[in-house]
Amino acid sequence: NAGVTQTPKFQVLKTGQSMTLQCAQDMNHNSMYWYRQDPGMGLRLIYYSASEGTTDKGEVPNGYNVSRLNKREFSLRLESAAPSQTSVYFCASRPVSNTEAFFGQGTRLTVV
Amino acid sequence: SQQGEEDPQALSIQEGENATMNCSYKTSINNLQWYRQNSGRGLVHLILIRSNEREKHSGRLRVTLDTSKKSSSLLITASRAADTASYFCATDAYGANNLFFGTGTRLTVIP
Repeated sequence: NAGVTQTPKFQVLKTGQSMTLQCAQDMNHNSMYWYRQDPGMGLRLIYYSASEGTTDKGEVPNGYNVSRLNKREFSLRLESAAPSQTSVYFCASRPVSNTEAFFGQGTRLTVV
Repeated sequence: SQQGEEDPQALSIQEGENATMNCSYKTSINNLQWYRQNSGRGLVHLILIRSNEREKHSGRLRVTLDTSKKSSSLLITASRAADTASYFCATDAYGANNLFFGTGTRLTVIP
């Protein structure tokens, strides 16, 4: 049982490049989330998906897009990376709202 | 920002002492959760307290919730070096399916 799997674990991008961060969960959870973590800022919610087929903006959605491909997978896309998007990105899932969340190990992204 | 605030930002104690960290939040909530993050790793859920509960225990953890003050505290008793980590509170806002995190407290337990 792998839980929440994020790929890649590390990535370096040049300004203006695009990339997609992948997240998959094998726990049959309905809700999935993308966060970014910056020093001193805690975790900030980028986008979330309450259930398959729905996505909603969080606190800091600008510069990102998401796709809930199916119940298992929730991807985060940076269309034109900027240095301000240098961060550690975490994906999380949970069965439904008001339950505990399970986190992936994170993707460390550097934009130069 | 919808983030909560945690206090203190950093805490250093001797092994065997108790550690207390506090969380304040802004909106009406269904529940408040505490998570732990070891350096370079993902977050791990510790405990969930519902808005109609005032106190909850799990092993060496004790959580309190005061909805009138929009605040919570996490007490770790008899701390161990292995408790060294960052601790975050997170809130499930009433009527929503998002989960907002505080800024975290970095706890160092000195052996």
